[in-house]
Amino acid sequence: DAKTTQPPSMDCAEGRAANLPCNHSTISGNEYVYWYRQIHSQGPQYIIHGLKNNETNEMASLIITEDRKSSTLILPHATLRDTAVYYCIVRVDQGGSEKLVFGKGTKLTVNP
Amino acid sequence: NAGVTQTPKFQVLKTGQSMTLQCAQDMNHEYMSWYRQDPGMGLRLIHYSVGAGITDQGEVPNGYNVSRSTTEDFPLRLLSAAPSQTSVYFCASSYAGGSYEQYFGPGTRLTVT
Repeated sequence: DAKTTQPPSMDCAEGRAANLPCNHSTISGNEYVYWYRQIHSQGPQYIIHGLKNNETNEMASLIITEDRKSSTLILPHATLRDTAVYYCIVRVDQGGSEKLVFGKGTKLTVNP
Repeated sequence: NAGVTQTPKFQVLKTGQSMTLQCAQDMNHEYMSWYRQDPGMGLRLIHYSVGAGITDQGEVPNGYNVSRSTTEDFPLRLLSAAPSQTSVYFCASSYAGGSYEQYFGPGTRLTVT
């Protein structure tokens, strides 16, 4: 089972910041938080990941709470092309395996 | 780089038929995996491989076989197709160890009648 909880859907206005929350209260100390998105049944696309510190790249920012029990993905200026299902994933650490356990994700709809 | 490629894009099988879904990557990644995605659901791991000659089962391995004879290729074999295997299949690859991102292929949409 997925170790994360996400709202099933969210809406955002084009040009505004989209803040997608994720709860992962049972995360272990050496487990990373990953975010992927899936646009209209295409293959999932990596967005960002982090361990303890906040992270930023050209696509998004990841804010992880100090207790690491939750995080927020921020798309600073959402566009219509950001409409997708966003998956928050805690990477299962099993002897070096790179397993990703997907939940149902959050369906983000960016409205004009 | 072509990244992760999958063939075919679409396939229709009759119950009991067998077939192989192809996956290839040109990034010299050690880790490769197969997922299936049913309507309205997240991806579920079928099989994975941490290097040539090494494979292991994921969450839903029954009815599927894999082998990894080269670093580049990781085919998925359906032994005797069943309607329950109707799904979209995604292959992914990454470097092993650490916290590397996984790259996904475009998917194969399989229908078993």
